[in-house]
Amino acid sequence: GAVVSQHPSWVICKSGTSVKIECRSLDFQATTMFWYRQFPKQSLMLMATSNEGSKATYEQGVEKDKFLINHASLTLSTLTVTSAHPEDSSFYICSATGQGGEKLFFGSGTQLSVL
Amino acid sequence: GENVEQHPSTLSVQEGDSAVIKCTYSDSASNYFPWYKQELGKGPQLIIDIRSNVGEKKDQRIAVTLNKTAKHFSLHITETQPEDSAVYFCAPDTGRRALTFGSGTRLQVQP
Repeated sequence: GAVVSQHPSWVICKSGTSVKIECRSLDFQATTMFWYRQFPKQSLMLMATSNEGSKATYEQGVEKDKFLINHASLTLSTLTVTSAHPEDSSFYICSATGQGGEKLFFGSGTQLSVL
Repeated sequence: GENVEQHPSTLSVQEGDSAVIKCTYSDSASNYFPWYKQELGKGPQLIIDIRSNVGEKKDQRIAVTLNKTAKHFSLHITETQPEDSAVYFCAPDTGRRALTFGSGTRLQVQP
């Protein structure tokens, strides 16, 4: 299957700093990428959908100015958590799909801990 | 939006037994029905999927059955092994590809 690489796998930061998470499709062109967050023992919740070259579409209740998403190329999307606070601590996961594809391929996730 | 319910929330079986997890959805436009396995600290991994024009699909020890009339589909794992222990999610899709995930089923296979 297709490979989606997500980095870093974990990050610890101080409150007020910004953190960038990268999601790369290694062997296919990802026309659409999705970002999720997952709290312990809970399901994945969609945060936003991004298409290459256009602005991301955010789900209701997700602050677009806090969670900046950039999908500048067909193989890379980034999620920046700006001015992170302890309540932003969570497991963030990206997924990607290619043009015309229905299968989603997920990254390995990033555990963010904000002190 | 899609309402997805998944049962049971936890399931403990003995090694070698079968496990069945059921997913009920609300949107009749759903046409793609995947199951994902998530191990601790990792992203979900697609293990099997089925489209709406097929009633059943099998891949070795794993199978998925679909009842579109009743709007539910199930994951069947036979001859369970300890490495099958994980959280399993259903995610019926209408084509939007963003997926609404079920609440998850934590499967524990006792050796």
